[in-house]
Amino acid sequence: GAVVSQHPSRVICKSGTSVKIECRSLDFQATTMFWYRQFPKQSLMLMATSNEGSKATYEQGVEKDKFLINHASLTLSTLTVTSAHPEDSSFYICSATGRNSPQHFGDGTRLSIL
Amino acid sequence: GESVGLHLPTLSVQEGDNSIINCAYSNSASDYFIWYKQESGKGPQFIIDIRSNMDKRQGQRVTVLLNKTVKHLSLQIAATQPGDSAVYFCAEGGNRDDKIIFGKGTRLHILP
Repeated sequence: GAVVSQHPSRVICKSGTSVKIECRSLDFQATTMFWYRQFPKQSLMLMATSNEGSKATYEQGVEKDKFLINHASLTLSTLTVTSAHPEDSSFYICSATGRNSPQHFGDGTRLSIL
Repeated sequence: GESVGLHLPTLSVQEGDNSIINCAYSNSASDYFIWYKQESGKGPQFIIDIRSNMDKRQGQRVTVLLNKTVKHLSLQIAATQPGDSAVYFCAEGGNRDDKIIFGKGTRLHILP
């Protein structure tokens, strides 16, 4: 089946650092990729929708300058958390979908800011 | 805004019994619903989906029921196994390419 790969799986860094997370669709062309954030024991909250070659669409309350999204190809989207602080610590999950296919999710990136 | 919610946060089921996980949605315009399974430390895994023009769909050991009149969705798992332990989310969307909104999740706990 369709596979979505996220890298890294875990990041621990100091406050003020910028962190980049990659999301790749390994065996299909992802016309759209989505980025979610999940806090412990909570549901997934959609942060933004990313279409290849165009600017991402952010959900209400998500700072676009804080969470930079780039979707440069049909198989790769990146999320950069700029100047990360402890409150940005969370589980970040991407998903990808092609034409007429359900979303397939990566295994997430656990971000811990000290 | 409207969102998908769940009736129970935790469900404990005896191994071998059937599990029924419920979900209420509020957006009557939603026409696509999905159930996901999330194991600890992993991303959601697609289980089964259903469109609003159907009221039942079956997969391997799983059945999804949709009641549009009361805006209720359920996931039935037959002969529950230890490997079914996870958090289950319902989600709603407009179509397969659109963004989807997740419900709060139900943790399924299997009793030996």
